[in-house]
Amino acid sequence: AQSVTQLDSHVSVSEGTPVLLRCNYSSSYSPSLFWYVQHPNKGLQLLLKYTSAATLVKGINGFEAEFKKSETSFHLTKPSAHMSDAAEYFCVALRGSQGNLIFGKGTKLSVKP
Amino acid sequence: GAGVSQSPRYKVAKRGQDVALRCDPISGHVSLFWYQQALGQGPEFLTYFQNEAQLDKSGLPSDRFFAERPEGSVSTLKIQRTQQEDSAVYLCASSLGPREPQHFGDGTRLSIL
Repeated sequence: AQSVTQLDSHVSVSEGTPVLLRCNYSSSYSPSLFWYVQHPNKGLQLLLKYTSAATLVKGINGFEAEFKKSETSFHLTKPSAHMSDAAEYFCVALRGSQGNLIFGKGTKLSVKP
Repeated sequence: GAGVSQSPRYKVAKRGQDVALRCDPISGHVSLFWYQQALGQGPEFLTYFQNEAQLDKSGLPSDRFFAERPEGSVSTLKIQRTQQEDSAVYLCASSLGPREPQHFGDGTRLSIL
């Protein structure tokens, strides 16, 4: 069965420093993976998606993620954090042919001035 | 353009009451998903529609939960005889097709007293 594990429930960085949010997946085949962001009291916004075309995926707002099959990882990075990046981030896998999503438990990103 | 619209944004009900939550998907999106997000958790899949057909309801937690999309556009999630454990944010998402990126509404926060 597919699953995703987010290794950190909370990450705190200073503004202007790099961001690393870690995600490992479990799948018997090459998965479709996504990162979504959720700001307080808002819905989820798609940051980026991996669908096997390229292992390094660029998303919105300067985020990118690298798919590493050997490590079963799909970590999210950003070179320089901005205060507006403070939010909850979810690593997500696509399940089956109909497309319902399997979410990790989320990582809360705090950005200190 | 218009995104996914959910109403009401907040709903408070007494235990035992019935509630109905509405989702207006993006026009032209054939796939519609409902998710339940408990406090501090990632969303969990409830049910999936392709046009008016409910193709997967495996995530509905009990027979008190019922969803419909009679004309293949607006969808309603109904919860009968609500219980405290039903308190959560209910998210609706729509997409152009089953495996296309999903666009989420802001959710309905349901509180059962």
